Amino acid sequence: RKEVEQDPGPFNVPEGATVAFNCTYSNSASQSFFWYRQDCRKEPKLLMSVYSSGNEDGRFTAQLNRASQYISLLIRDSKLSDSATYLCVVPDPFAGNMLTFGGGTRLMVKP
Amino acid sequence: ETGVTQSPTHLIKTRGQQVTLRCSSQSGHNTVSWYQQALGQGPQFIFQYYREEENGRGNFPPRFSGLQFPNYSSELNVNALELDDSALYLCASSTRDGNFYGYTFGSGTRLTVV
Repeated sequence: RKEVEQDPGPFNVPEGATVAFNCTYSNSASQSFFWYRQDCRKEPKLLMSVYSSGNEDGRFTAQLNRASQYISLLIRDSKLSDSATYLCVVPDPFAGNMLTFGGGTRLMVKP
Repeated sequence: ETGVTQSPTHLIKTRGQQVTLRCSSQSGHNTVSWYQQALGQGPQFIFQYYREEENGRGNFPPRFSGLQFPNYSSELNVNALELDDSALYLCASSTRDGNFYGYTFGSGTRLTVV
């Protein structure tokens, strides 16, 4: 089993749609979790962090389920500019917060 | 506040050659990590430097080595380049002091080995 698993997609959705991505992780020691956004051929950029049950920032909501060891990202009212790859990231607190990345989920928002 | 800067942005090398990539960490950050991202995959952890010492290593062979300098900048060296080393190399900085708020990534160095 991979340490961090994501559905690679692509998710093709129309503008205005709501889309959700899930991510499962294996390291039960991790306390914080992150979603990064990566545009084509660019570096990953921090989108949201999740430290407890969830976090909301505008159209974006991240939720954490520790019992089932999964994290989700919900995007409401999708915009064309949301098209990107979304990376689920899990730090290991016992390894200097070394980041383990999922393979990413690609989102394509169409007009 | 300056972000993370990497150089060069692009590089083409021949198989068997050696390469050095450079990274300047974000102001206030004392930890630098290096990641390799092959096309279509998520970044893979290479190693991390803290206080000028390697502080964790991923599943990469010894021909991948690094340094961290007193100003917290860092180098990644790769010897005996192989075709599979072609990837985007990302440097990320953070701080080990206090809470962990994630890493700031540089824009990366795209290495092509031919």
